[in-house]
Amino acid sequence: EDQVTQSPEALRLQEGESSSLNCSYTVSGLRGLFWYRQDPGKGPEFLFTLYSAGEEKEKERLKATLTKKESFLHITAPKPEDSATYLCAVQARAAGNKLTFGGGTRVLVKP
Amino acid sequence: GAVVSQHPSRVICKSGTSVKIECRSLDFQATTMFWYRQFPKQSLMLMATSNEGSKATYEQGVEKDKFLINHASLTLSTLTVTSAHPEDSSFYICSARKQIYSYEQYFGPGTRLTVT
Repeated sequence: EDQVTQSPEALRLQEGESSSLNCSYTVSGLRGLFWYRQDPGKGPEFLFTLYSAGEEKEKERLKATLTKKESFLHITAPKPEDSATYLCAVQARAAGNKLTFGGGTRVLVKP
Repeated sequence: GAVVSQHPSRVICKSGTSVKIECRSLDFQATTMFWYRQFPKQSLMLMATSNEGSKATYEQGVEKDKFLINHASLTLSTLTVTSAHPEDSSFYICSARKQIYSYEQYFGPGTRLTVT
């Protein structure tokens, strides 16, 4: 069974204080790992797709990396508008289109 | 772009009635759409996958007769919650795959259903 575990569950940061979110996964044959951002009461917003170990993607203050067992989302010099829940999801080759989501990390950036 | 809309954004209905939620891909054609359910402070749980012109595939534990899914066109899928009960109150979110050879799913803004 595919499993995704995100840590920490919650993260409080001061503005400008860089940090990393972890997504550990167990999947038989990874097709892709996805990062989303979700604001309260809204649907997830697509951030990145990573397909193979060693791959990195960047967007503004966010950088996602991937190994064979986990992915990290690095937030560099965060701003209050980066406050959100960050979701990690995996898609296994044998799972068709199904995404398996982790529990998410709630990030609060204080000014 | 990859914009997905949902309507309505909020709905309140009485127990025993049915509610229809629409999911539209606005700037692309979606051969596959997905319906998720999310409880407060929990992650997304896939309910069903729908392909245009064919029957939806439901996840284990999801009642097919209660959650009716129709994917009538490449830009529209609907979820009908039949004979709704208070325990069906939740946040329902749809998503769509943009291209056949792309695996990203783009999500709608969600629909908050409250059954009284």
